[in-house]
Amino acid sequence: GAVVSQHPSRVICKSGTSVKIECRSLDFQATTMFWYRQFPKQSLMLMATSNEGSKATYEQGVEKDKFLINHASLTLSTLTVTSAHPEDSSFYICSARVGATEAFFGQGTRLTVV
Amino acid sequence: GQNIDQPTEMTATEGAIVQINCTYQTSGFNGLFWYQQHAGEAPTFLSYNVLDGLEEKGRFSSFLSRSKGYSYLLLKELQMKDSASYLCAVMDSNYQLIWGAGTKLIIKP
Repeated sequence: GAVVSQHPSRVICKSGTSVKIECRSLDFQATTMFWYRQFPKQSLMLMATSNEGSKATYEQGVEKDKFLINHASLTLSTLTVTSAHPEDSSFYICSARVGATEAFFGQGTRLTVV
Repeated sequence: GQNIDQPTEMTATEGAIVQINCTYQTSGFNGLFWYQQHAGEAPTFLSYNVLDGLEEKGRFSSFLSRSKGYSYLLLKELQMKDSASYLCAVMDSNYQLIWGAGTKLIIKP
């Protein structure tokens, strides 16, 4: 199957700093990537849909100025958590869709803000 | 509103069979997915059903009834490594994935 690589897998940062998470499609081109957040024992929550060459589409309640998404190429999307706070600590996962249906996930990033 | 329901937790014995149910109410339907997620890891794809019936893939099978808004994932010959959360997700009319909260499956020796 298709491979999606997400980096870093774990990051600890100080409150008020920014963290960038990268999501790469290694063996295919992804015009659309998705960013999810998952709190412990909860379901995946879609944060935004990232489209190559255009602005991301954010879900209701997600602050676009806080969670900056850039999809600069067909193989790379980045999520930057700006001015991170402890409540932003979560598991962030990206995915890329192949065709209309199948989705492949990155490894996920465990963000801890201290 | 859109809703996916699945049991929170299930326990089964190594070597046995377990069925994890999922019921859904969504605006439109473009297929139902099952994913496996081990603790601290990203989900991995298990199955996709868009037509009614049973899809078998090795030890795992997935069933769909669109008229009932119902699916199940059947795991046979359970192994300890099958201990994980199993996520049911439905793709709605906008091709967005609506996720269930997941079923934590505990396998006992």
